[in-house]
Amino acid sequence: AQSVAQPEDQVNVAEGNPLTVKCTYSVSGNPYLFWYVQYPNRGLQFLLKYITGDNLVKGSYGFEAEFNKSQTSFHLKKPSALVSDSALYFCAVSVSGGGADGLTFGKGTHLIIQP
Amino acid sequence: GAVVSQHPSRVICKSGTSVKIECRSLDFQATTMFWYRQFPKQSLMLMATSNEGSKATYEQGVEKDKFLINHASLTLSTLTVTSAHPEDSSFYICSARPLLESGFSSWAFFGQGTRLTVV
Repeated sequence: AQSVAQPEDQVNVAEGNPLTVKCTYSVSGNPYLFWYVQYPNRGLQFLLKYITGDNLVKGSYGFEAEFNKSQTSFHLKKPSALVSDSALYFCAVSVSGGGADGLTFGKGTHLIIQP
Repeated sequence: GAVVSQHPSRVICKSGTSVKIECRSLDFQATTMFWYRQFPKQSLMLMATSNEGSKATYEQGVEKDKFLINHASLTLSTLTVTSAHPEDSSFYICSARPLLESGFSSWAFFGQGTRLTVV
């Protein structure tokens, strides 16, 4: 069975500083990895995905993530944090690029950007 | 990006009644839709996968008679919580997957969620 771990419940970063939200995964087979962001009482918004190709993936709102196969990680990063980045971030994995399976989500990480 | 509309956004119902939640893909066709449940301060748990025109596939531990899913068209899936009880209170989120060849960047798009409160 596949699983996703987000080891930090909360990450605090000062505005303008770089941010990292950690994610590690466990799958049998090639992973398809995703990051989503959720604002209070809202659905999930897609940030970026890794399917194949370059290990560094660039996504929406200046976010990027690096796929590291040896460390089974897919950490989310941004060079300069904004207060508006404060939200709940979910890492997710699927082993089916064809979309037959639903996503397995991590428990989420609250990102708080302090002015 | 593609839009998935989920309705209602909030619903309060009495214990023992049934509630229907709709999930529509507004500008794309979705052969596969997914229903998730999110408890407070917890992650999303996949409840079931529905394919247009066929029976839904439920995850282990999810009661198919309690959570009825209908995926009658390529743009609409419904989740009916039957004989709701307070423990069914939760945030329910649907997602719809565009056809691979449609060219969308995301693997799946999510509705805005439905907050169900059973009193």
